[in-house]
Amino acid sequence: DAGITQSPRHKVTETGTPVTLRCHQTENHRYMYWYRQDPGHGLRLIHYSYGVKDTDKGEVSDGYSVSRSKTEDFLLTLESATSSQTSVYFCAIGLGAGNTIYFGEGSWLTVV
Amino acid sequence: AQSVTQPDIHITVSEGASLELRCNYSYGATPYLFWYVQSPGQGLQLLLKYFSGDTLVQGIKGFEAEFKRSQSSFNLRKPSVHWSDAAEYFCAVGASGGGADGLTFGKGTHLIIQP
Repeated sequence: DAGITQSPRHKVTETGTPVTLRCHQTENHRYMYWYRQDPGHGLRLIHYSYGVKDTDKGEVSDGYSVSRSKTEDFLLTLESATSSQTSVYFCAIGLGAGNTIYFGEGSWLTVV
Repeated sequence: AQSVTQPDIHITVSEGASLELRCNYSYGATPYLFWYVQSPGQGLQLLLKYFSGDTLVQGIKGFEAEFKRSQSSFNLRKPSVHWSDAAEYFCAVGASGGGADGLTFGKGTHLIIQP
């Protein structure tokens, strides 16, 4: 158990509305990640963080922003949700040898 | 840029039979390699990882994987599968030394177990 909590776990929202997903970790790990999972695409990195207020873009960052004001929380925001952002979002932490990635349970987001 | 290819989208295996899931990677140096498993509706669980040393690594649930540099492969194996092994399996590659920018994943192989 990597001590990662994602909220909400399930959400349905309308096109054009803002959405924020929260990732909370309990053990002060430095590295945190947001991935999205889509059929036929596997997991793709959206954004990552290597410390408080230190974030960078991943492979599919367009339409997403992140913030990390505390070590334990990493927020993913969809400023104006689109149907193409319907997906399963996974938060992850990196720790230990090789910065091994450990995942949360996922957040299912449907944009209608 | 690093990449991972899992050539098989679906694999069907009879319960009790052996299993091999293929993974090929592209990376300029010695990579860090991982296999994850995902049951329906769940997050991803780490099965095993390779950083250096012995090229045959053991993981949880009776899985093993072999790193073959000459073939740029990291195939996952299990001698005898159980119905509970039915899941999605992901291979991933990361920068040697553990980069901050996470892992690159393959698209996954869906494993179906026949009774």
